[in-house]
Amino acid sequence: AQSVTQPDIHITVSEGASLELRCNYSYGATPYLFWYVQSPGQGLQLLLKYFSGDTLVQGIKGFEAEFKRSQSSFNLRKPSVHWSDAAEYFCAVGPNDYKLSFGAGTTVTVRA
Amino acid sequence: SQTIHQWPATLVQPVGSPLSLECTVEGTSNPNLYWYRQAAGRGLQLLFYSIGIDQISSEVPQNLSASRPQDRQFILSSKKLLLSDSGFYLCAWSVLRTFQGSGANVLTFGAGSRLTVL
Repeated sequence: AQSVTQPDIHITVSEGASLELRCNYSYGATPYLFWYVQSPGQGLQLLLKYFSGDTLVQGIKGFEAEFKRSQSSFNLRKPSVHWSDAAEYFCAVGPNDYKLSFGAGTTVTVRA
Repeated sequence: SQTIHQWPATLVQPVGSPLSLECTVEGTSNPNLYWYRQAAGRGLQLLFYSIGIDQISSEVPQNLSASRPQDRQFILSSKKLLLSDSGFYLCAWSVLRTFQGSGANVLTFGAGSRLTVL
């Protein structure tokens, strides 16, 4: 069975500082990996996805993620955080069918 | 371009009352449709998904049901709401995309419907 773990429930970061959100997955084959962002009271927006190929994936809003098969990880990073990046971030993993498994989410707070 | 609409955005209902949340997708045909629930402080739980009209799979036993009367319409219902049904309900759609010989579904979410059961 597939599963996703986001170890950090809440992260606080200063504006302009770097951000890294951790994601570990469990899946028996090559996974499809995703990061979504949810602003308060809103739906989820896709930040980036990994299917295969280059293990460093670029997404929208200046985010990137690196797939590390040996560590079963797909961590999300941003070099310099903006106040508008305050949101909840979800990692998700899927096989080649219709269902994704989501992590519990990491809430990011940005302080001035 | 494709758009997804959910309504109502906010709903407050008494215990034991019925529920109907609607979701429609525009700009695509034969989408896969999904209902997720997000309880306070928790991740997303897949409730139902549908790969076609009248083809609906339930992921967890619960007090809810789903229907797909038209290709691009997905409805979440309950005959009698429970307190535990409170949460943020998200509809999503996807189209199977082939990438280097393999398929994958990339979900696009609606804005969500917040249900409070009192």
